[in-house]
Amino acid sequence: GAVVSQHPSWVICKSGTSVKIECRSLDFQATTMFWYRQFPKQSLMLMATSNEGSKATYEQGVEKDKFLINHASLTLSTLTVTSAHPEDSSFYICSAHGTSGSVAKNIQYFGAGTRLSVL
Amino acid sequence: GESVGLHLPTLSVQEGDNSIINCAYSNSASDYFIWYKQESGKGPQFIIDIRSNMDKRQGQRVTVLLNKTVKHLSLQIAATQPGDSAVYFCAENPSGGYQKVTFGTGTKLQVIP
Repeated sequence: GAVVSQHPSWVICKSGTSVKIECRSLDFQATTMFWYRQFPKQSLMLMATSNEGSKATYEQGVEKDKFLINHASLTLSTLTVTSAHPEDSSFYICSAHGTSGSVAKNIQYFGAGTRLSVL
Repeated sequence: GESVGLHLPTLSVQEGDNSIINCAYSNSASDYFIWYKQESGKGPQFIIDIRSNMDKRQGQRVTVLLNKTVKHLSLQIAATQPGDSAVYFCAENPSGGYQKVTFGTGTKLQVIP
């Protein structure tokens, strides 16, 4: 089955530092990836749509300079939380739409998530 | 704006019984619906999907029902097992393509041994 790898799974950082989260599609190519944020006991909130080779599309209210997204290849998208503050602490999840191979093309496949704690 | 929501935030079911999780959606033009299961501390996992031209689809122990008249979606889990304990989200993809999806608020399923 389709596998999306997200790394790291857990990170603790000091306030003011930047953190990079990687999202990789391991057995399929993904021209479109999505980044979500999830608070405890709440649903997934879409932050941005990451498109290979072009700029990401951010949802309303999401600061693009705060959450930098890079989708440099068909299998990798990265989210960088710049100058992180305690309010950025959350569970970040990526997903990828399959576009080739045997994966279903209508389905988003999700990574395992990254727990970010900013001290 | 358009939204997808769930009727029950928490559902407790005895092991072996059937579970029914409900979802209401508001975008009558949506073409594609998906159910995801999310276990604690993990990312959502695809369970089953259904297109708007269908009213029922069955998988292994799961069935999704779509009622477009009342814009209602349900997930039925047969013979619920402890491993089914998780939060279940319905999601709505308006076009059915590579577009973003809208997630519902989620229902927590607790299976009582």
